[in-house]
Amino acid sequence: EAGVAQSPRYKIIEKRQSVAFWCNPISGHATLYWYQQILGQGPKLLIQFQNNGVVDDSQLPKDRFSAERLKGVDSTLKIQPAKLEDSAVYLCASSHQPGARFGYTFGSGTRLTVV
Amino acid sequence: TQLLEQSPQFLSIQEGENLTVYCNSSSVFSSLQWYRQEPGEGPVLLVTVVTGGEVKKLKRLTFQFGDARKDSSLHITAAQPGDTGLYLCAADNAGNMLTFGGGTRLMVKP
Repeated sequence: EAGVAQSPRYKIIEKRQSVAFWCNPISGHATLYWYQQILGQGPKLLIQFQNNGVVDDSQLPKDRFSAERLKGVDSTLKIQPAKLEDSAVYLCASSHQPGARFGYTFGSGTRLTVV
Repeated sequence: TQLLEQSPQFLSIQEGENLTVYCNSSSVFSSLQWYRQEPGEGPVLLVTVVTGGEVKKLKRLTFQFGDARKDSSLHITAAQPGDTGLYLCAADNAGNMLTFGGGTRLMVKP
């Protein structure tokens, strides 16, 4: 089974620029998550999708972050405009069923550096 | 929002030594998971514990869920350099989302 695919792997941008990340979950996984992992910390949930609907985006900074999953498969996460504190690894994860006890499969992440 | 505290934050040991890392909270969890993350990769699920007092073994790794389902421990016997990584606990409080602890960064020196 193919894993969760993310691109790009690395991105360096200047502050106030915009950036987008892409995620392709495991085939058949209805639930998709975006996490932000700042260096030295554990991942923090940004948004959860169930198919193409948002389940929880309470921790997404909506003034600059947006995410979509239009056809219930691939997802994009966008930051506009970026700030220095957005430098982090952005992880995408998917699961077959909603419910944390089933475990998530994570992609390798996109490492963003804002200079 | 539950807070998961992991300790120690950093651990550097010699190959062959034993170690234990801890994950604590004041909240009760319906399940708890342990992940291992290597540099440049996403976390990989090691185990899920569900029942209070549950013990699971994965080769040299032993995971225990506290009786009250508020804490967990991970014990590694005879650590090897390949065990080096970031160990993360994550908890589900009967919702559909995982909350992660801050992680324990383990380095095993040959």
